[in-house]
Amino acid sequence: NAGVTQTPKFQVLKTGQSMTLQCAQDMNHEYMSWYRQDPGMGLRLIHYSVGAGITDQGEVPNGYNVSRSTTEDFPLRLLSAAPSQTSVYFCASSPPWGSGKDTQYFGPGTRLTVL
Amino acid sequence: AQKVTQAQTEISVVEKEDVTLDCVYETRDTTYYLFWYKQPPSGELVFLIRRNSFDEQNEISGRYSWNFQKSTSSFNFTITASQVVDSAVYFCALSENSGYALNFGKGTSLLVTP
Repeated sequence: NAGVTQTPKFQVLKTGQSMTLQCAQDMNHEYMSWYRQDPGMGLRLIHYSVGAGITDQGEVPNGYNVSRSTTEDFPLRLLSAAPSQTSVYFCASSPPWGSGKDTQYFGPGTRLTVL
Repeated sequence: AQKVTQAQTEISVVEKEDVTLDCVYETRDTTYYLFWYKQPPSGELVFLIRRNSFDEQNEISGRYSWNFQKSTSSFNFTITASQVVDSAVYFCALSENSGYALNFGKGTSLLVTP
């Protein structure tokens, strides 16, 4: 199993540009989430999904869109990039709690810089 | 409101010293999970431990041990005989009966010098 994969690993954007961060998992996990990590802030939840076709907002959703058309994929879209979105983005997946494997598995991260 | 507090921003120790990383959490749920993750300089997040709210038994794994105390809402992490490879940022996290949202503390940066 590849686990949770993210592409690209690095990206530089100009203010106003749009892009999609890709996330895929091959563990057949129902739950997937996106976090951003900023210096001194820990990880903060952007959006999450509890299954295909179901998404919801986390703590810091503004400026981001998500969709979940398949169990495997959970892309994060930046509609109009701003310097405040410069961050490291982590995707995570997990089975439903109570499955005996109750933890989130994280991808390697995408480092995004917005100029 | 901050749900997970890691009051120690940075800790520096000399190799072979023991070090304890503190984590205090806040929740009204009776069912919840607590986690510790390690983030080495390479940047990935490495899962260390999960503890559910019904299991207060302390755990030891090699040089790592965890002390969970519901009475003080704490889930502290101790590294015994620290090594340079333990240098990393350590995050404590709380999940309130969900599988999709972890509330992370701001992390403790541990530096172990030879």
